[in-house]
Amino acid sequence: DADVTQTPRNRITKTGKRIMLECSQTKGHDRMYWYRQDPGLGLRLIYYSFDVKDINKGEISDGYSVSRQAQAKFSLSLESAIPNQTALYFCATSDVGTGGETQYFGPGTRLLVL
Amino acid sequence: KQEVTQIPAALSVPEGENLVLNCSFTDSAIYNLQWFRQDPGKGLTSLLLIQSSQREQTSGRLNASLDKSSGRSTLYIAASQPGDSATYLCAALVTDSWGKLQFGAGTQVVVTP
Repeated sequence: DADVTQTPRNRITKTGKRIMLECSQTKGHDRMYWYRQDPGLGLRLIYYSFDVKDINKGEISDGYSVSRQAQAKFSLSLESAIPNQTALYFCATSDVGTGGETQYFGPGTRLLVL
Repeated sequence: KQEVTQIPAALSVPEGENLVLNCSFTDSAIYNLQWFRQDPGKGLTSLLLIQSSQREQTSGRLNASLDKSSGRSTLYIAASQPGDSATYLCAALVTDSWGKLQFGAGTQVVVTP
C-alpha cells in the first residue's frame, strides 16, 4: 500500500461548489502539506501543518481551508470553487532527521472546475 | 523570497547520452536541496537530498551536486535510458522557512531509443 494516499484522484466540479480533497498517510510523520501544481509554475504551497494543533498558511491560501483530523489525516477544502483553482493538487508528509528534511508526496488529485 | 529556476524547460537526448539538469536558487541560506522525478499523472518521487553541508550525493546512475556560493545544483544522470523520461524538479528548503520547499518549474526530459 502507498504511504501517502489521496482521494479522489480526479474530480470535476462546477463553479461555486464546495469540495474536499483528502489525504492520509501511514508514515507516522507529524508534518503534512498541501501543494498545487500548475503548468509552467512548479508546485506552490497552500497550507502546512507541523502537528494536529499547528496549521499554517502557505504561499497561496486564499480560497482554501484545511483540517487536520488526526496525525495521519489532512484535508483540503475549496469553499466555493472557481475555474482558476483547476490544477493538480498534491499532499505531502515530511520527516526531519540527521539527513535533512525529506518530503514524500501522494499521487495527486486532478481537479477541474467548470 | 527564495526563487528556484530550472533551465532548460525541456530536453531531448538519445539513449546512452549523459543528462545534465540545472537548478539555480537565489537565497544561499538553504537547509537542503531535494531532487524529484515526476511521471505523467503520477506524484513526485524523491531522488536525492543534499544537505547544505554536503557537496554532492550519489545514488546509482544519479549524482547531484550543490554549490551554495553560486546558488546552483546539478543533477547528472549517467548513460540515460528511455525509462529516465520524466519531469525532474528541484526544490530548496530555506533555513528560516522550516518545511516550506520552494520548487522550480521542472525540466521535462525525453530519452529517445
